[in-house]
Amino acid sequence: EIVMTQSPATLSVSPGERATLSCRASQSVSSNLAWYQQNPGQAPRLLIYGASTRATGIPARFSGSGSGTEFTLTISSLQSEDFAVYYCQQYNNWPTFGQGTKVEIK
Amino acid sequence: QLQLQESGSGLVKPSQTLSLTCAVSGGSISSGGYSWSWIRQPPGKGLEWIGYIYHSGSTYYNPSLKSRVTISVDRSKNQFSLKLSSVTAADTAVYYCARGASFGLAFDPWGQGTLVSVSS
Repeated sequence: EIVMTQSPATLSVSPGERATLSCRASQSVSSNLAWYQQNPGQAPRLLIYGASTRATGIPARFSGSGSGTEFTLTISSLQSEDFAVYYCQQYNNWPTFGQGTKVEIK
Repeated sequence: QLQLQESGSGLVKPSQTLSLTCAVSGGSISSGGYSWSWIRQPPGKGLEWIGYIYHSGSTYYNPSLKSRVTISVDRSKNQFSLKLSSVTAADTAVYYCARGASFGLAFDPWGQGTLVSVSS
């Protein structure tokens, strides 16, 4: 099993500021990495796949980077609807998810 | 626009079998290149992939659940199903169905999810 570790667990950010979320894999997953956003009571929504490709309809303020074992999701200027929980997920092997990072209003 | 909708029993007794169905609309489950997955999320916790099925019927399961999971497809009804046997309280979760992308197991879209509680 590939273990995905996200940091920090909680990120406090003011609206309009930049948020940087990290995800580390226990072994290389190449670029087979996705990011999801989950709002309370809702299903996750795919934001990024292939480590850096935005899914259809995802705003340009979301960007992903990294390969191998280290990945980053950056939200350039937080909007009110961006305060949510974010999960990374690898699909290089059978899929596993990180434990999530909650982005909260500072 | 592809949509997925879970249905099934919301309450299952311990040791019994959990059964859920995912109805697919706005597209055919037989479309080549896609897989169809079940994913769960215990209350207040993270996400766990359960398994997937291809339109061909081939399946792959999470090794930690493999002995208890069966995923099947009904192409005539454009739906796929999950059975999880010998459930315990640890199987209480919101269960989601989702489509896996043609390039790999990134999931989009997801169903809205359905809460299944295991309790006597």
